[in-house]
Amino acid sequence: AQTVTQSQPEMSVQEAETVTLSCTYDTSESDYYLFWYKQPPSRQMILVIRQEAYKQQNATENRFSVNFQKAAKSFSLKISDSQLGDAAMYFCAYRSQYPYFGNEKLTFGTGTRLTIIP
Amino acid sequence: EAQVTQNPRYLITVTGKKLTVTCSQNMNHEYMSWYRQDPGLGLRQIYYSMNVEVTDKGDVPEGYKVSRKEKRNFPLILESPSPNQTSLYFCASAIDRGAGNTIYFGEGSWLTVV
Repeated sequence: AQTVTQSQPEMSVQEAETVTLSCTYDTSESDYYLFWYKQPPSRQMILVIRQEAYKQQNATENRFSVNFQKAAKSFSLKISDSQLGDAAMYFCAYRSQYPYFGNEKLTFGTGTRLTIIP
Repeated sequence: EAQVTQNPRYLITVTGKKLTVTCSQNMNHEYMSWYRQDPGLGLRQIYYSMNVEVTDKGDVPEGYKVSRKEKRNFPLILESPSPNQTSLYFCASAIDRGAGNTIYFGEGSWLTVV
């Protein structure tokens, strides 16, 4: 079974600065997807960024980018130019490319609560 | 607009009183799933469904039932709720065409069992 670990329960950053959230995972599979989800106070689950394991290039979405290290099984999220609206819980998640019995299950980490300091 | 709709959004109930949380999607998705979110545990899968009349257990199915009689609906049933089922519940759906497809989440249902 796959596991996802987020070792930073809470982080804070000054507005306009850069912050990196850590995520490690464990899997015996070679083909999979990794995701970062944002959960603001509304509790919506918002997809921030995704990475296909077969791609060497790190994914980027505007101010959000990842550092994907497949051999180290590490998948960190960098938020540049932090804004007040970035304050949220962030979840790292794993998904198999060839899901067992077709179960498109996401395996989540425990989350990192990000606070933005004005 | 693509939507996954859950009801109720907020509910306080008493131990042992059967309740159903409904989930409906308007995207003709084959795959649907339920998760629960608890502090310090992240989101964990309860049940999933590959299509009508095809359901299976996820990681934490104890105390829950589901049914999939129509493609668009996937209700979560708590036959005899207990306080340890107090949680935030999410329904999710996706097209069953490979793991690269987008998973859509509902807005969540807060359930408190007293």
